[in-house]
Amino acid sequence: GAGVSQSPSNKVTEKGKDVELRCDPISGHTALYWYRQSLGQGLEFLIYFQGNSAPDKSGLPSDRFSAERTGGSVSTLTIQRTQQEDSAVYLCATNRRVDTEAFFGQGTRLTVV
Amino acid sequence: GQSLEQPSEVTAVEGAIVQINCTYQTSGFYGLSWYQQHDGGAPTFLSYNALDGLEETGRFSSFLSRSDSYGYLLLQELQMKDSASYFCAVREVSWSSASKIIFGSGTRLSIRP
Repeated sequence: GAGVSQSPSNKVTEKGKDVELRCDPISGHTALYWYRQSLGQGLEFLIYFQGNSAPDKSGLPSDRFSAERTGGSVSTLTIQRTQQEDSAVYLCATNRRVDTEAFFGQGTRLTVV
Repeated sequence: GQSLEQPSEVTAVEGAIVQINCTYQTSGFYGLSWYQQHDGGAPTFLSYNALDGLEETGRFSSFLSRSDSYGYLLLQELQMKDSASYFCAVREVSWSSASKIIFGSGTRLSIRP
């Protein structure tokens, strides 16, 4: 596609439910990153994929968070048993390995009520 | 550990010049980038410095001193549309040759008429 696509753009869920957030990278981009951004805050690194493998998942806040990537393309971030503190914008970014610029999707705004 | 420090807020006058500083501490270093994020939008790439010195792109310039682990973003002829958050970011190189991108907490630039 022309850009990084994330879905859904907005998600409201009840506390305790599971949610799945999807990221479609730019074609040919092998590196994929997930970040979390709370209102007015910086970008918190969650996990990094190179192809289908995740060399660095050190930013995942707890074992309720997991992510996978299939076919070196689409990635899914899953949050189980959501809590109110999980409310934030979840951003996905991708680039070719040797590139210096990361391209961001518009994010998924998650609200846990 | 890995950390990037930048001021949380900066205020400037339309037409003036403003400098946003960034200091970093990382286990490996492959370059310093700057991103701009308007409220409600996704971060977009502004500039990248791999070597010491000044890089100029229109009204924006970015500087890097690797010996000081320091860089800055210089915005000239400020316009109201430049009101946004600005993030510095480093691309790290680890033992696995994988390279994740770490972002600073962001500097919110407010511009007064």
